Amino acid sequence: EDQVTQSPEALRLQEGESSSLNCSYTVSGLRGLFWYRQDPGKGPEFLFTLYSAGEEKEKERLKATLTKKESFLHITAPKPEDSATYLCAVRSNSGYSTLTFGKGTMLLVSP
Amino acid sequence: EPEVTQTPSHQVTQMGQEVILRCVPISNHLYFYWYRQILGQKVEFLVSFYNNEISEKSEIFDDQFSVERPDGSNFTLKIRSTKLEDSAMYFCASSGRVSGANVLTFGAGSRLTVL
Repeated sequence: EDQVTQSPEALRLQEGESSSLNCSYTVSGLRGLFWYRQDPGKGPEFLFTLYSAGEEKEKERLKATLTKKESFLHITAPKPEDSATYLCAVRSNSGYSTLTFGKGTMLLVSP
Repeated sequence: EPEVTQTPSHQVTQMGQEVILRCVPISNHLYFYWYRQILGQKVEFLVSFYNNEISEKSEIFDDQFSVERPDGSNFTLKIRSTKLEDSAMYFCASSGRVSGANVLTFGAGSRLTVL
């Protein structure tokens, strides 16, 4: 059974204070690791897909990295509008089309 | 930018009643999904649908649930006899393909409250 664990559960940062979110996973053959952003009362919004260890992707203040056991979402100089819950999900050989999500990290960036 | 549209945004129903949640996926997508999120918990997979049939389903998706694509644009989730534990946010998603860069685009969700 695929498992995804995210830490910390919640993170409070001051504007401009960089940090990283962690996603640890156990899967039977990784076919993709996904980062989504979820605002309160909304659906997940796609950020990145990573497929192999060593891969990195960037978008504005966010950078996602992947190893064989975990992924990090680095947030550089965050702004209050980056406040959201960040979800990590995996697709593996055990679920042809499904995503298994972690519980997410709730990020609050104060001005 | 194309989006997945869900209705209703919020539905309140009595236990034992039938509910239908509706979704309009992105027009050129071929794969459709329902996920749910109970308050404070993970987003959980329910079912995937392709070529007018279910391709995968989870243990949650029991005989009380069904999905249908009644026409070329809508995708529905029916719960036949709702239970208190069905209260959750239900998300519809669609994607262009399964393999490779398959990115699911989610709708804003339908909040179901069962009393």
